[in-house]
Order: sequence, then structure tokens, then C-alpha cells
Amino acid sequence: DVKVTQSSRYLVKRTGEKVFLECVQDMDHENMFWYRQDPGLGLRLIYFSYDVKMKEKGDIPEGYSVSREKKERFSLILESASTNQTSMYLCASTPPSSPYEQYFGPGTRLTVT
Amino acid sequence: AQKITQTQPGMFVQEKEAVTLDCTYDTSDPSYGLFWYKQPSSGEMIFLIYQGSYDQQNATEGRYSLNFQKARKSANLVISASQLGDSAMYFCAMSDSNYQLIWGAGTKLIIKP
Repeated sequence: DVKVTQSSRYLVKRTGEKVFLECVQDMDHENMFWYRQDPGLGLRLIYFSYDVKMKEKGDIPEGYSVSREKKERFSLILESASTNQTSMYLCASTPPSSPYEQYFGPGTRLTVT
Repeated sequence: AQKITQTQPGMFVQEKEAVTLDCTYDTSDPSYGLFWYKQPSSGEMIFLIYQGSYDQQNATEGRYSLNFQKARKSANLVISASQLGDSAMYFCAMSDSNYQLIWGAGTKLIIKP
């Protein structure tokens, strides 16, 4: 079974802190995605990556950056956390053989105070 | 612009009844995919079912079926014989030509015993 893990299930940070959210998949998937999920808005794509060191902006990249130094790991970085970044963050990956079906991690619920 | 609309923010259904969750989409691409995901209270996103735009028959996976009406641009999820464990958020999504998913706002389904 594909396994996508995220470093934390719950995280509380202060405004202005630098925050790292880590995502690791163990199935050699090339495509990885970071979403945020807010009530009534569904999932919104922040960044995605098709390969190591490659990154593409999604719909809402402002205030975020990403890093993909290894194929299995895709990190989301909040350079200076703000309260409007309080949300559920979901990581997903897809294999090249089935580019549509996304496998999700358990999510990280981030609260910025 | 591509868009997914889920008009039911919440639904209550009696256990063992069938339930239909609505999803309409908008795209100008001739080739696309439609997905349904389930998100229980634990937070993980679980893939349920996929329908390709060129598929002639409606997709089925166990108790789940996708009622695909291309002319109406609808892709409703039907759950037969609902169970208490079906209580969750349900998201409809559509893939675009870049293999990214566009998500609806979700429907919260509650199964009553």
C-alpha cells in the first residue's frame, strides 16, 4: 500500500515564526502536492512538484514556499506564519502510471496564534 | 474556467437508505476525469471512485457508483445501503490537462441510526 506521512498531526505556532511541514511518500511517486483545506472552500492547491528540485505554483502560493531535495520528500515552508494561515494542510502524491489518483497523507492541522 | 460545484453543504440520511451526493462541473477540455473522495473525521482523504470523460459506462466500486451525465455536466455519487461508517465529508474533484485536481467545497454526510 502507498503510504504518505506528514510530520505532525497538530501544530501550534506563533505569528512570525518560520514553519516547516514535512511530507514523505514511500512509493517512488514523482508528483507531489500541497493543499490547504478550509471549511466551505474545499481543497486549494498551494504548490506542486513533478520531480526533484522542480516546483510549480498552485492557486494560492502567496506566503508559502516549498522544497523538494529528494524524490520522497516534499516540504512546505511558511516563512513568517500569520493567523490567516491557520488551516488543515494536506500532502498528496501520484505515480506517473496513474497521474490522476492522488494518495493523501493524514493532514496537519496548523494553528497560528 | 474549470469549476466544481457541490450544492449540498450537509445531508442527513437514515441508515440503510441510498444517498445521492450532487456534483456539477464546468470545463471546456474534452478530456477530463472526475473523482470522489471521502474524508472521515480522522482527516485522511480516501479515494472512492473515478470516471473518465470518455468512459461509456458509469463507474462502480462496491456500494459506490458514479452517475455520470455528460450533457448535464454532472457526476453524482450514489451510495447504496448506507452505513454508519459512511458519515464523513465527501469531495468531488475534476482533473485538468495538467493532472491537477480542482475540488468542490464538499458535502458533510451524516448517517442516522
